[in-house]
Amino acid sequence: QSVLTQPPSASGTPGQRVSISCSGDSSNIGSNYVYWYQQLPGTAPKVVIYRNNQRPSGVPERFSGSKSGTSASLAISGLRSEDEADYYCTTWDDSLTGWVFGGGTKLTVL
Amino acid sequence: QVQLVQSGAELKRPGASVRVSCKASGYTFANYYVHWVRQAPGQGLEWMGIINPIGGSTTYAHKFQDRISMTRDTSTNTVYMELSSLRSEDTAVYYCARVDDFWSGLFDYWGQGTLVTVSS
Repeated sequence: QSVLTQPPSASGTPGQRVSISCSGDSSNIGSNYVYWYQQLPGTAPKVVIYRNNQRPSGVPERFSGSKSGTSASLAISGLRSEDEADYYCTTWDDSLTGWVFGGGTKLTVL
Repeated sequence: QVQLVQSGAELKRPGASVRVSCKASGYTFANYYVHWVRQAPGQGLEWMGIINPIGGSTTYAHKFQDRISMTRDTSTNTVYMELSSLRSEDTAVYYCARVDDFWSGLFDYWGQGTLVTVSS
């Protein structure tokens, strides 16, 4: 049971826009930055969004992040086949005094 | 170029301990904290703890508090994670990852992962 709640799966067709949610509470998302990671099969995770909505250099503009209250979202527009991966949200939890991850969302490009 | 190179796969018996190393290169070792994150087969990511390369102070996830130890060797730019009293549920790929600040969740470089298998 993860502290942060993500849908286990999401899907879309090429060119579509998909959104992945991450729900927490006031001790984690509600008071700290959210980060998003993409993990391709058999590889280490890669950051795609940091500090709620910032995109690292090299990450396509198609990736965007937002946060409102105790929830955050990752949106991917213009979906491409190479976006098929697992996506994880993470943030610091003040009560647990540690980093917590969502359970992950498997994105399928149909 | 920045690299975090981890030690090889391990097979351990239940109750044993395992030590995984993470050798850093291509950057100033003292300027980056190192996290350890694990991933059980087919499961999600789980944060284990963080070590400050300066001084070696650590913060561990409560779940592992009584059986984890993270250390560093500044002469070789290597960080170690030791987990004791292993059980089958500890079978996972263990990753190290660096951040430039204790409060940052921007893990910008990761090791390749080390598979630890716990089985009798």
